[in-house]
Amino acid sequence: QKEVEQNSGPLSVPEGAIASLNCTYSDRGSQSFFWYRQYSGKSPELIMSIYSNGDKEDGRFTAQLNKASQYVSLLIRDSQPSDSATYLCAVPLRASGSARQLTFGSGTQLTVLP
Amino acid sequence: GAVVSQHPSRVICKSGTSVKIECRSLDFQATTMFWYRQFPKQSLMLMATSNEGSKATYEQGVEKDKFLINHASLTLSTLTVTSAHPEDSSFYICSASLGDSSYNEQFFGPGTRLTVL
Repeated sequence: QKEVEQNSGPLSVPEGAIASLNCTYSDRGSQSFFWYRQYSGKSPELIMSIYSNGDKEDGRFTAQLNKASQYVSLLIRDSQPSDSATYLCAVPLRASGSARQLTFGSGTQLTVLP
Repeated sequence: GAVVSQHPSRVICKSGTSVKIECRSLDFQATTMFWYRQFPKQSLMLMATSNEGSKATYEQGVEKDKFLINHASLTLSTLTVTSAHPEDSSFYICSASLGDSSYNEQFFGPGTRLTVL
């Protein structure tokens, strides 16, 4: 089992729809979870972080965390073509000195169709 | 969010030469920075963890004598690809954390695209 697992996609949704991206993780002790967006040819950009069970909303983005199920998701409401990118789920799974290294899922490629 | 810069953004070099990539945290101090490599259509691969004032920690399979990392200050880490070969051509990205807790967010630089001829 991979440490951080995502549906690789690709996922296509029509403009205006809700895009749902899913991620599961193996370390039950994980406490923090991050979603990054990566456009083709660019570096990842942090879009959401979540630490507590439940939902966290930021504009059109909602992160959902269920630690009992070891599951974190990202919902994008009113999807726009500019949301087309690869979305990476990242979890700090182990310590390296005084800072935590992120372990990334393989990413889900999202395409929003006009 | 915090800003991380990288220089150069793109470099083309001949096989056998060395290339230095700089990573700077512009508006915060970072005791730890991370270096990643990404091949086309693949996910990020962590190469090493760079700690200010101490030796870097390399991931398994990454040659520390080939990928030299120096973290001389709280705002600057450098990656030097020594004796580069075509198989080293890749997208190199650094990141820096706002702090030492797992709750601290990490921010990525814009990346450096290396092409070795």
